[in-house]
Amino acid sequence: ETGVTQSPTHLIKTRGQQVTLRCSSQSGHNTVSWYQQALGQGPQFIFQYYREEENGRGNFPPRFSGLQFPNYSSELNVNALELDDSALYLCASSSRRTGSNEQFFGPGTRLTVL
Amino acid sequence: GESVGLHLPTLSVQEGDNSIINCAYSNSASDYFIWYKQESGKGPQFIIDIRSNMDKRQGQRVTVLLNKTVKHLSLQIAATQPGDSAVYFCAETAPAAGNKLTFGGGTRVLVKP
Repeated sequence: ETGVTQSPTHLIKTRGQQVTLRCSSQSGHNTVSWYQQALGQGPQFIFQYYREEENGRGNFPPRFSGLQFPNYSSELNVNALELDDSALYLCASSSRRTGSNEQFFGPGTRLTVL
Repeated sequence: GESVGLHLPTLSVQEGDNSIINCAYSNSASDYFIWYKQESGKGPQFIIDIRSNMDKRQGQRVTVLLNKTVKHLSLQIAATQPGDSAVYFCAETAPAAGNKLTFGGGTRVLVKP
């Protein structure tokens, strides 16, 4: 069984740029959630994707967007980067088929905005 | 690896002692609660979960207690080991929230040899 993977592991961007982060869900999982974790804080829910559609969103502006692909992998896109976007971005996968709420997290992508 | 919890409350525990980590939640509609362990440079790792129809659940060396009256959750780690050093987060979710997890602020556990 393959766990959740994310790429890249680290990324440095400048203000105003755009970034795309990628996530491959755990084998058999059809739901992907994205979280932002600022240093010293707990993860904050950004949004969730199920059946290739956004299915729930946290308190993040529209410049945070995402995609889910037929193979259940997902992308997080952030436009017009701001300094406060510097954080660890976590992807978590789960399966609605099993009825379990358990989410499995990837190692995260560390984004630094200069 | 990069530190996760630079400004988190810290619990220092002697190796072999028991650890108790506490968490308060605010949403009375939450019906599912999870404890995660996060080591430096890694994503959160599932430890144990509990549903709102239970008040206690035990795993291997870990026990979660849920007090819905005061909206309090605790994680007990028996015979704490050096490998238990990490940041611990509680998370909750409510039926209306789908699988959206709301995380608490976290507690850093440091195990002293």
